[in-house]
Amino acid sequence: DAKTTQPPSMDCAEGRAANLPCNHSTISGNEYVYWYRQIHSQGPQYIIHGLKNNETNEMASLIITEDRKSSTLILPHATLRDTAVYYCIVRVFQGGSEKLVFGKGTKLTVNP
Amino acid sequence: DAGVTQSPTHLIKTRGQQVTLRCSPKSGHDTVSWYQQALGQGPQFIFQYYEEEERQRGNFPDRFSGHQFPNYSSELNVNALLLGDSALYLCASSPRLASSFNEQFFGPGTRLTVL
Repeated sequence: DAKTTQPPSMDCAEGRAANLPCNHSTISGNEYVYWYRQIHSQGPQYIIHGLKNNETNEMASLIITEDRKSSTLILPHATLRDTAVYYCIVRVFQGGSEKLVFGKGTKLTVNP
Repeated sequence: DAGVTQSPTHLIKTRGQQVTLRCSPKSGHDTVSWYQQALGQGPQFIFQYYEEEERQRGNFPDRFSGHQFPNYSSELNVNALLLGDSALYLCASSPRLASSFNEQFFGPGTRLTVL
């Protein structure tokens, strides 16, 4: 079962920041939070990941609360091409291998 | 680098038939995972292969089986197809580096329709 909960949908105006929340209250100390997105009819695309500290890359920023029970993905200047389903995922690492447990994600619609 | 490739892109089968889907991982990757994505749902983990062995398995029946070849490519086989097996089947590859970050790259998927 997915360890994360996300709102089913969000809207954002083009050019504005999109802030996507995620709750993962049962996350374990060594489990990473990953964010992927899936544009219609394509495979999921990696965005960013983190364990404890806030992270930033060319696509987005990830803010993780100090207690690690929730996080927020920030797209600083959303464009129409950012319209997609965004998945917040906890990486489960067992027996030397890993799997990603997806929930239903948040459908982000960026409006002109 | 072609990334993760999957074939075929679309497939139509009837109930009771068997199907084989194929995946070639990204160059340099040796681990392949398969996911099933029903319409409107997130991808669900089926199983993962490394060194030609199944390493992890999700909650899927034995009708779902797989194989990995020495060149790291992989196949997903589904026997006795049911209508509920209609879905997008995604393959993801990653390097096998235990205890370190290993981003999974996904292919475009194979859309299976069971009639």
